[in-house]
Amino acid sequence: ETGVTQTPRHLVMGMTNKKSLKCEQHLGHNAMYWYKQSAKKPLELMFVYNFKEQTENNSVPSRFSPECPNSSHLFLHLHTLQPEDSALYLCASSQPTGNEQYFGPGTRLTVT
Amino acid sequence: GIQVEQSPPDLILQEGANSTLRCNFSDSVNNLQWFHQNPWGQLINLFYIPSGTKQNGRLSATTVATERYSLLYISSSQTTDSGVYFCAVGNTGNQFYFGTGTSLTVIP
Repeated sequence: ETGVTQTPRHLVMGMTNKKSLKCEQHLGHNAMYWYKQSAKKPLELMFVYNFKEQTENNSVPSRFSPECPNSSHLFLHLHTLQPEDSALYLCASSQPTGNEQYFGPGTRLTVT
Repeated sequence: GIQVEQSPPDLILQEGANSTLRCNFSDSVNNLQWFHQNPWGQLINLFYIPSGTKQNGRLSATTVATERYSLLYISSSQTTDSGVYFCAVGNTGNQFYFGTGTSLTVIP
């Protein structure tokens, strides 16, 4: 799927660093999502934005801070992460919430 | 939340064989999708199928919503079909629930 892009594709960061993940969708959707996929675990929904408003926060630690400036862009700001936060972070979009989701290629994050 | 169980967890097939993957869910849903995750992590949409039957080439899917299960059929499997197949469901609201996946390996 080329409709949802994510950058960077790979990221290695230390526990004291601050970095941001970016997601952009070109599908005209109004809802965007962040998921975390750890090894041997199902995808876990982290955040949902609908028309730029956050509608779901599934008890995600505050070291993960989402931002949705418009319906096409979604960011995940990272700070003081832990090694157990190493995972594949996937962005998705849909129109409207609850309908078919389309995923980006993911950012593989390693926290050292 | 909705519990989603997929079976089998692992499957090894000879190229050309057929297979059936199953997804059971614990509550009524109005959204069900099947995905194929390739070795690079990309989730590829296969079917959006909250009910009924759909076919796309060698793949087809059936969801029986009243009995809370969905099946994904792969016929004449190819090595490029290898990867992990996920079922995801949702009902009212913004929550989606993924199963743990079926890891498929097709050997030549």
